[in-house]
Amino acid sequence: GIQVEQSPPDLILQEGANSTLRCNFSDSVNNLQWFHQNPWGQLINLFYIPSGTKQNGRLSATTVATERYSLLYISSSQTTDSGVYFCAVVDSGAGSYQLTFGKGTKLSVIP
Amino acid sequence: ETGVTQTPRHLVMGMTNKKSLKCEQHLGHNAMYWYKQSAKKPLELMFVYSLEERVENNSVPSRFSPECPNSSHLFLHLHTLQPEDSALYLCASSQGLLANEQFFGPGTRLTVL
Repeated sequence: GIQVEQSPPDLILQEGANSTLRCNFSDSVNNLQWFHQNPWGQLINLFYIPSGTKQNGRLSATTVATERYSLLYISSSQTTDSGVYFCAVVDSGAGSYQLTFGKGTKLSVIP
Repeated sequence: ETGVTQTPRHLVMGMTNKKSLKCEQHLGHNAMYWYKQSAKKPLELMFVYSLEERVENNSVPSRFSPECPNSSHLFLHLHTLQPEDSALYLCASSQGLLANEQFFGPGTRLTVL
């Protein structure tokens, strides 16, 4: 099956700093989602971005499907950004609809 | 608030108990999913329902039994679980299958004693 690798696994930032999280995947995809999992376990949709670039406030994401990677940018980080960020993809193989998750990047933003 | 609710939020049960997890989606979607998140492991897909028909069963032990009575509700019936089944169980929904965006509920944190 498709492999999803996220880096870095852990990241500690000072409040106000910027960061880039990366997601590499091993096959072509027709769905890529970024999620933020808060300390209570809730997965919050950040972006649905199988290709291209999107922005939402301090967050933006870019997926380069032909090179099989996606980047999540967090600018002017805040302590509420802390949590685990997951990338998840659906293999574009025929009939595939299973979201395969990476292991996540654990972000800690300190005041 | 994602439009997907789950109850209970926390559950502690013994290995001989029978319990059920409930998921409800208010998004008008027609596909629903159960995922399991164990410590130190990526989220794993357990079951998928589309138009109330099961379309995926990822080699899940029979002590987990899903039920989808209509497109808005999904249940996970639990019986004779093992301590290693302790995990966060997440429900999700989407409009159709095949690469459509999935939205997740807040999860049920299950502890099996």
